[in-house]
Amino acid sequence: NAGVTQTPKFQVLKTGQSMTLQCAQDMNHNSMYWYRQDPGMGLRLIYYSASEGTTDKGEVPNGYNVSRLNKREFSLRLESAAPSQTSVYFCASQDRGQTGELFFGEGSRLTVL
Amino acid sequence: QKEVEQNSGPLSVPEGAIASLNCTYSDRGSQSFFWYRQYSGKSPELIMFIYSNGDKEDGRFTAQLNKASQYVSLLIRDSQPSDSATYLCAVNRREGGSEKLVFGKGTKLTVNP
Repeated sequence: NAGVTQTPKFQVLKTGQSMTLQCAQDMNHNSMYWYRQDPGMGLRLIYYSASEGTTDKGEVPNGYNVSRLNKREFSLRLESAAPSQTSVYFCASQDRGQTGELFFGEGSRLTVL
Repeated sequence: QKEVEQNSGPLSVPEGAIASLNCTYSDRGSQSFFWYRQYSGKSPELIMFIYSNGDKEDGRFTAQLNKASQYVSLLIRDSQPSDSATYLCAVNRREGGSEKLVFGKGTKLTVNP
């Protein structure tokens, strides 16, 4: 049982380049999230999707777009990367039916030069 | 006031002591409260959740919730060096028809042998 799978795990970009972080879950969860984590800042919500076909902005959505491709997949796109987007990105899916627990992927470490 | 606030830490306790971690939240409508543990370089993992006022115990961990004071805490008894990690408080927030989890900045705990 893979849980939540994120790719890539590491990426280095130059300012202005674009890239997409991929996330897939195999737990049949409706809700999925993208967070970023910076030193001393905890987890900040970028975008979330309560169900297939819906997405909502979180606390720090500027510079990002998302796509909820289907129930399993939720991708995060940086159209024109900036050094301020250097961070660790976590995708998570939520078990609404039981505890409301978030299950996290292993994280993607992105560096923008 | 930030949505979820935690002691900035770091918190250092000797092995065998009780570690007390605190969290306050601003949304009175919040119903679900979570404590996650995050080891350095790893993704967060759930250790406790609580929905009702009072205490909830699981092994060495006790979560305490006081909705009137908008306060949730985590006590770790008989602290072990393996408990050294960052502890993240998370609170659900309802917006429109959807629900999202908001995290505090985390408290770094060090348990000294």
